[in-house]
Amino acid sequence: SAVISQKPSRDICQRGTSLTIQCQVDSQVTMMFWYRQQPGQSLTLIATANQGSEATYESGFVIDKFPISRPNLTFSTLTVSNMSPEDSSIYLCSVVSRTPGGEAFFGQGTRLTVV
Amino acid sequence: DAKTTQPTSMDCAEGRAANLPCNHSTISGNEYVYWYRQIHSQGPQYIIHGLKNNETNEMASLIITEDRKSSTLILPHATLRDTAVYYCIVRIGSGTYKYIFGTGTRLKVLA
Repeated sequence: SAVISQKPSRDICQRGTSLTIQCQVDSQVTMMFWYRQQPGQSLTLIATANQGSEATYESGFVIDKFPISRPNLTFSTLTVSNMSPEDSSIYLCSVVSRTPGGEAFFGQGTRLTVV
Repeated sequence: DAKTTQPTSMDCAEGRAANLPCNHSTISGNEYVYWYRQIHSQGPQYIIHGLKNNETNEMASLIITEDRKSSTLILPHATLRDTAVYYCIVRIGSGTYKYIFGTGTRLKVLA
């Protein structure tokens, strides 16, 4: 299994500002993903964080709003840019081992409130 | 879009078996079925996964129908701590390994 640390665990931010969320994994992993969970909803995949190249975004998510970095195999950041109250959500980092039945592991999430 | 459908909510008496169904009628031959649960907005916790055969671990059992179009997660002796949202997921893609979450089943274990 992988241990995932996310920082910060929670934050309250002013609208129009940006927040960068960090995800640190205790082992090298091939696949890293970022999810958003809006209040009372299920998880929605934002993007796949690719090591050494640009992230791959899901429909409805764009790089200008959610820039992602992945400088190595154990670390990634997600920035929520120009925030509005609609961005208030839990943001989760996830990693998957590239084995035929490799399961995903999730961080504890970053609870973001935009005021 | 998620490839699974689940009931929105279920109740189960403490100490009884909780049987959570999942439909995945469009599953492909090499796609795995995974079950996760999420307690109180914590990060999702892995429970079990399977491809064709039934699986059992210390947490639960997974029963997959022969045609693989549906499965059932069984918690043999539900406790109050099993109250959570349970997600059935078909992992997409042999190269990307993306997990697309559906709406899940909110299980409430009653004392």
